[in-house]
Amino acid sequence: KAGVTQTPRYLIKTRGQQVTLSCSPISGHRSVSWYQQTPGQGLQFLFEYFSETQRNKGNFPGRFSGRQFSNSRSEMNVSTLELGDSALYLCASSSQTSGGAIDTQYFGPGTRLTVL
Amino acid sequence: AQSVAQPEDQVNVAEGNPLTVKCTYSVSGNPYLFWYVQYPNRGLQFLLKYITGDNLVKGSYGFEAEFNKSQTSFHLKKPSALVSDSALYFCAVRDVRRDDKIIFGKGTRLHILP
Repeated sequence: KAGVTQTPRYLIKTRGQQVTLSCSPISGHRSVSWYQQTPGQGLQFLFEYFSETQRNKGNFPGRFSGRQFSNSRSEMNVSTLELGDSALYLCASSSQTSGGAIDTQYFGPGTRLTVL
Repeated sequence: AQSVAQPEDQVNVAEGNPLTVKCTYSVSGNPYLFWYVQYPNRGLQFLLKYITGDNLVKGSYGFEAEFNKSQTSFHLKKPSALVSDSALYFCAVRDVRRDDKIIFGKGTRLHILP
């Protein structure tokens, strides 16, 4: 099976711009989560989608948004970029356990966003 | 609130020696516990998980972890370290009875010295 893919791998934007990142999960996985990784804050949870519905959300401002399509692919959008948004954005996909909980997450290589 | 702590920012181990990377957690219910590894400029790779059953969990690349409920710990171990084990290791916890969010520790950088 192909792994989680993320596009683009690298992005350079300027303050005030907006950006859209894309994630294609492992085939058959219906859950997609997004994380922001920075040296200072570590891995921070952004949001999780399951079957096109946002299931969980982290503590990020409304400038960060996401969506999931019927084929489970997901996008996240950041509007009005700030310098502090520079980070590695990781996407993870997972299947469900027999009990309905989200199972092991498998991560993509990430998108490195630099805001100038 | 659920939380996970990795008390060591960095661990140095000589090649061939046993290694331990520490993790403690706090959840209100029964935890799902995970270890991930991250190599430079790569995403996280799953190593192992504990959900229920045997307290000793074996995972990829010869790693194992021991779930200790009384000490709320889930330390990662390997009997004999390799230089190629040098990477950033993350412990994560999920409280499936609460909000089902997954919380990651800050990470521990493991240096294996040749």
